[in-house]
Amino acid sequence: NAGVTQTPKFRILKIGQSMTLQCAQDMNHNYMYWYRQDPGMGLKLIYYSVGAGITDKGEVPNGYNVSRSTTEDFPLRLELAAPSQTSVYFCASSTPPAGGSSHEQYFGPGTRLTVT
Amino acid sequence: RKEVEQDPGPFNVPEGATVAFNCTYSNSASQSFFWYRQDCRKEPKLLMSVYSSGNEDGRFTAQLNRASQYISLLIRDSKLSDSATYLCVVKGTGGFKTIFGAGTRLFVKA
Repeated sequence: NAGVTQTPKFRILKIGQSMTLQCAQDMNHNYMYWYRQDPGMGLKLIYYSVGAGITDKGEVPNGYNVSRSTTEDFPLRLELAAPSQTSVYFCASSTPPAGGSSHEQYFGPGTRLTVT
Repeated sequence: RKEVEQDPGPFNVPEGATVAFNCTYSNSASQSFFWYRQDCRKEPKLLMSVYSSGNEDGRFTAQLNRASQYISLLIRDSKLSDSATYLCVVKGTGGFKTIFGAGTRLFVKA
């Protein structure tokens, strides 16, 4: 199993450009997540999905969009890049939590995005 | 007040030392607690879940104190390979509100 894969690893965007960050998992996990991590800060949830066709906003969704057409893929779209979106983006997946109990999230290697 | 707070460190310890980190959380209704490890420029990986009764995994011991709203991680006999950032993670009831702390950096020196 490759686990969670993300592309690209690095990207530099100009202000106002658009791009899609790709995320795929081969563990048949229903739940997928997008986080951003700014230097010295914790991960913040952007969007999440509980299954194909179902997505919802997290803590910091403004400026981003997602889709989930298959169980495996969960791309993140930036429409009009801004310097404030310079960050490291992590995609993660997990099995559904059982009765609110713990469940491990598996993370991809991240995409380092710079907007100038 | 941040929802999850950690001492950012860095903690600089010699090999073989015992080191402990604390993490406080503000939401008393929080249900699940975890420690994740993040190596430099890498993705976070689950180190251990934290149970109400406390749990141990080799050299690592995690404790939960609900009354005082903190969790702790104790590392015994530190190894060079333990050098990393340790993220405290708290999950609320229902939904997907998972809060990551900013992390505590640990450097273990020979």
